Amino acid sequence: AQKITQTQPGMFVQEKEAVTLDCTYDTSDPSYGLFWYKQPSSGEMIFLIYQGSYDQQNATEGRYSLNFQKARKSANLVISASQLGDSAMYFCAMRVSTSYGKLTFGQGTILTVHP
Amino acid sequence: AAGVIQSPRHLIKEKRETATLKCYPIPRHDTVYWYQQGPGQDPQFLISFYEKMQSDKGSIPDRFSAQQFSDYHSELNMSSLELGDSALYFCASSLNRDRTYEQYFGPGTRLTVT
Repeated sequence: AQKITQTQPGMFVQEKEAVTLDCTYDTSDPSYGLFWYKQPSSGEMIFLIYQGSYDQQNATEGRYSLNFQKARKSANLVISASQLGDSAMYFCAMRVSTSYGKLTFGQGTILTVHP
Repeated sequence: AAGVIQSPRHLIKEKRETATLKCYPIPRHDTVYWYQQGPGQDPQFLISFYEKMQSDKGSIPDRFSAQQFSDYHSELNMSSLELGDSALYFCASSLNRDRTYEQYFGPGTRLTVT
């Protein structure tokens, strides 16, 4: 079975600074994908970034980058130049090749950006 | 770009009633997933369909059933509702045929059981 762990229940960051949200995972499947989603207080789930287990380079999408360390089984999300609108819940999730694509989520991290 | 559509957005039901949630995936997407997110919890996988056939099943109660229709829209039917069924229900879709697997979520249906 696969498992995602997010050890930071809450994080605070000053506007315009960078912040790293931690995510570790566990799976015995060699083929898997890692996702980060943002969930604002309004409730919708917004896809941010994706990293495949065989991808050689770390994924980047605008201000979001994924620090993928396969040997450590970690997939940390880095948000650069934080904005007030980044305040939200952030979920790390994983799918494995044998699971028909279903996602297993971590517990989430609430990010608060201070002005 | 077209997104996943869910209806209704909000639903209030009483205990023991039934509810039907609808999901319209992104055009061309071949897979639909249903997730349940209780208050303060992470989303939990319920069930998925690939090309209108059930592809995977999670911790979905026997009181719940789902199907995907010929036009690829999906419905989650919930009977004998309990207070604990109060949650945000997400539908997501992806294009697994291309092996991209990126899932795009709908806005969710917030179900309140009183």
